[in-house]
Amino acid sequence: EVQLVESGGGLVQPGGSLRLSCAASGFTVSNSFMSWVRQAPGRGLEWVSIFYSDGNIYYADSVKGLFTISRDNSRNTLYLQMNSLRTEDTAVYYCARGKFGSPFDQWGQGTLVTVSS
Amino acid sequence: QAVVTQEPSLTVSPGGTVTLTCASSTGAVTSGSYPNWFQQKPGQAPRALIYSTNNKHSWTPARFSGSLLGGKAALTLSGVQSEDEADYYCLLFYSGRWVFGGGTKLTVL
Repeated sequence: EVQLVESGGGLVQPGGSLRLSCAASGFTVSNSFMSWVRQAPGRGLEWVSIFYSDGNIYYADSVKGLFTISRDNSRNTLYLQMNSLRTEDTAVYYCARGKFGSPFDQWGQGTLVTVSS
Repeated sequence: QAVVTQEPSLTVSPGGTVTLTCASSTGAVTSGSYPNWFQQKPGQAPRALIYSTNNKHSWTPARFSGSLLGGKAALTLSGVQSEDEADYYCLLFYSGRWVFGGGTKLTVL
């Protein structure tokens, strides 16, 4: 059974950093498209970043240069390093897994990041 | 960055049919945009419904279908049920990046 479990969310001050983790089971992270998607309170979904199975990485303009996506194949885990956090980064962050043409087949339950002083 | 536009809200009667659309600021949506559709209910993670324009996942109810319509991606629900009341999001591909639409709040009334 495919499972995605996010962790690492919490309260952080503006300008601070946080690293999110997405522990995967039931499949191999390195063979899948792995993404982060976020949802601010009461708002819609926003795609954040994707790590393609061929190693290519892309970011949304809103986080480029601030966030870094990575994966640890030995731990079968996806990460999102978030630096210089702003209040507008407050959101539930979801990890998602997919394949060509269908990049977000399965989703985790999300982890809440709150950026506030 | 491209902007993807959906109807903010739609209302449909139980048993009726409704079509949600998804437009791109860069021009016509094509199969190369790999349109995806997702359903999200309050307090839940999104659930994938349709991928690559018109392909259903194994868990997608038969009453949901995807298509291209007049330069937009479309999601049609036929024989709507009360449990279909939810937010629906489309997703389009732009040269490695992906962009979600703003979502459509579907009310079944």
